[in-house]
Amino acid sequence: DGGITQSPKYLFRKEGQNVTLSCEQNLNHDAMYWYRQDPGQGLRLIYYSQIVNDFQKGDIAEGYSVSREKKESFPLTVTSAQKNPTAFYLCASQDRPQETQYFGPGTRLLVL
Amino acid sequence: GEDVEQSLFLSVREGDSSVINCTYTDSSSTYLYWYKQEPGAGLQLLTYIFSNMDMKQDQRLTVLLNKKDKHLSLRIADTQTGDSAIYFCAESGYNKLIFGAGTRLAVHP
Repeated sequence: DGGITQSPKYLFRKEGQNVTLSCEQNLNHDAMYWYRQDPGQGLRLIYYSQIVNDFQKGDIAEGYSVSREKKESFPLTVTSAQKNPTAFYLCASQDRPQETQYFGPGTRLLVL
Repeated sequence: GEDVEQSLFLSVREGDSSVINCTYTDSSSTYLYWYKQEPGAGLQLLTYIFSNMDMKQDQRLTVLLNKKDKHLSLRIADTQTGDSAIYFCAESGYNKLIFGAGTRLAVHP
């Protein structure tokens, strides 16, 4: 089955710790995206990548980093510089610009 | 600026029709989308409409697009308890989708 997987489903971060969220897709899509969702709010774009080895900052990139070494994978690192990381993180992929984005199941990040 | 707006909450009786409204900003958007999010889950694509269309029907779902007013609506016929969720409107922007804050649909007996 084609789709997008995210892991883990829940992630706990200690103060000062970096954590990495995984996103994998087997849809052969070129573009991948990371969004953050806070309660009662819409989705805000963190980073996106339209091609391997290239990525751009979204609207709220501070405190986050990404890599895109393989077409299938777009991991997101939440660094210790992100002071308010508690949120639901959604990964998406897209075949071509302005076409449909398909979403993974999400990772909920909580701070201990 | 980029701003997609939706009302935050809608309550309907089971079996009635639900209408969720959205206004968008970019008249050059090629596609407009409706996504559904159930608690603790990702976003599920419900339907989309190409910007040169006025209406699209897909089973219980009807999408209406008024380009002049930049208004998009989603009508759900015969609303069921399983339709309770958050519904997001999105427009296709440059290299990204622009989402509204979501409308929480509550279906009661």
